[in-house]
Amino acid sequence: EIVMTQSPGTLSLSPGERGIVSCRASQSVSSSYVAWYQQKPGQAPRLLIYGASTRATGIPDRFSGSGSGTDFTLTISRLEPEDFAVYYCHQYGQQYGSHLRTFGQGTKVEMK
Amino acid sequence: QLQLQESGPGLVKPSETLSLTCAVSGGSVSSDTYSWGWIRQSPGRGLEWIGNVYYTGSTSYNPSLRSRVTISVDTSKNQFSLQLSSVTATDTAVFYCARWHVNMLVFDHWGQGTPVTVSS
Repeated sequence: EIVMTQSPGTLSLSPGERGIVSCRASQSVSSSYVAWYQQKPGQAPRLLIYGASTRATGIPDRFSGSGSGTDFTLTISRLEPEDFAVYYCHQYGQQYGSHLRTFGQGTKVEMK
Repeated sequence: QLQLQESGPGLVKPSETLSLTCAVSGGSVSSDTYSWGWIRQSPGRGLEWIGNVYYTGSTSYNPSLRSRVTISVDTSKNQFSLQLSSVTATDTAVFYCARWHVNMLVFDHWGQGTPVTVSS
């Protein structure tokens, strides 16, 4: 099973600042299989990025994703008040004939 | 607009079977572009994928839960269901149903989630 490890656990920033969330896979994964989600309190996760770098429909361009191999990054160029939330990376993979989905443990972006 | 709505008991006794249903509206579970999944979230486990079902009935499960999980689909009712057997307190979580896009390889739409507590 591929483990996705996010860092940092918490990111304390002010509106207007840039936020960077990292996700490291325990082994190399295809960038096609990496996604990012945003979750606000009391809500379900919302898809932000898929294929490591493609924004989902309706996602503002201040959100961007990058990376390859084992290291992937979500960048929020200028934080808006509504961006303070928890962010999860996600990967899809195949192992022993099974189609597996795993999530990182989450990074909380909080207002400083 | 696609909507997914989870339903089922909010309280289940230890050793019993947790059963949830996800009703899909604004879309069809019979589409070959999507499969349908269950994910749970708890403070101790974070987001944990449970399994997926395709409209044909084909399933894939998290290996750590496979022995206790059954996910099925009812195309006539446009819904899919989760059964998790022999539950313990560690199965207490918010359970989400979600649509899996087979080309984008993501859960692109989620239900609002339903909390389930395992307690006697």
